[in-house]
Amino acid sequence: DAMVIQNPRYQVTQFGKPVTLSCSQTLNHNVMYWYQQKSSQAPKLLFHYYDKDFNNEADTPDNFQSRRPNTSFCFLDIRSPGLGDAAMYLCATSRDIEETQYFGPGTRLLVL
Amino acid sequence: AQSVTQLGSHVSVSEGALVLLRCNYSSSVPPYLFWYVQYPNQGLQLLLKYTTGATLVKGINGFEAEFKKSETSFHLTKPSAHMSDAAEYFCAVSDTRGNNRLAFGKGNQVVVIP
Repeated sequence: DAMVIQNPRYQVTQFGKPVTLSCSQTLNHNVMYWYQQKSSQAPKLLFHYYDKDFNNEADTPDNFQSRRPNTSFCFLDIRSPGLGDAAMYLCATSRDIEETQYFGPGTRLLVL
Repeated sequence: AQSVTQLGSHVSVSEGALVLLRCNYSSSVPPYLFWYVQYPNQGLQLLLKYTTGATLVKGINGFEAEFKKSETSFHLTKPSAHMSDAAEYFCAVSDTRGNNRLAFGKGNQVVVIP
């Protein structure tokens, strides 16, 4: 089945130690998104890629970066995780802008 | 900018009773509207969406929602709650002017009482 895959499902890192979260898709969608969802809050868009074009949200901290080496994969890099970055990170894809977004299962990040 | 209001973070409903989750939106352009469901430690699953056309939209698991432009609402209903409906539900609005930025409400945690 076509789907959005996130690895790992759970990630533990240390304060200040760089961490990378992975997202892959078999849908061949043009757009990939990263959302941050803190406990009991709504998902918040960090950035998205339309093909190779990167679109950062104005309030996304510089600590968060992203890479999309090809259509199928997109990575979220947190350069120096703080305790406040502990959250669920959701990847989503859509065939094009203005089309429905499909979400992966998420990666729960714990920062010690 | 668009925004969504969902009142009542926790909603309790008896098994077999009507489920009603309210969503009001603010948008400067005709909106696309969505309901997503999230089970514990999982991602978001699309329940239903409204883009254009018929204002009563049917989704998965027996849910439906009606777009009412005059009331700027998109309330979600299900006639008879099932235990498996216990989850968190998010309403979202998308700016149709080409950036596809989803704005989510704060969510409703639904508890189904046997």
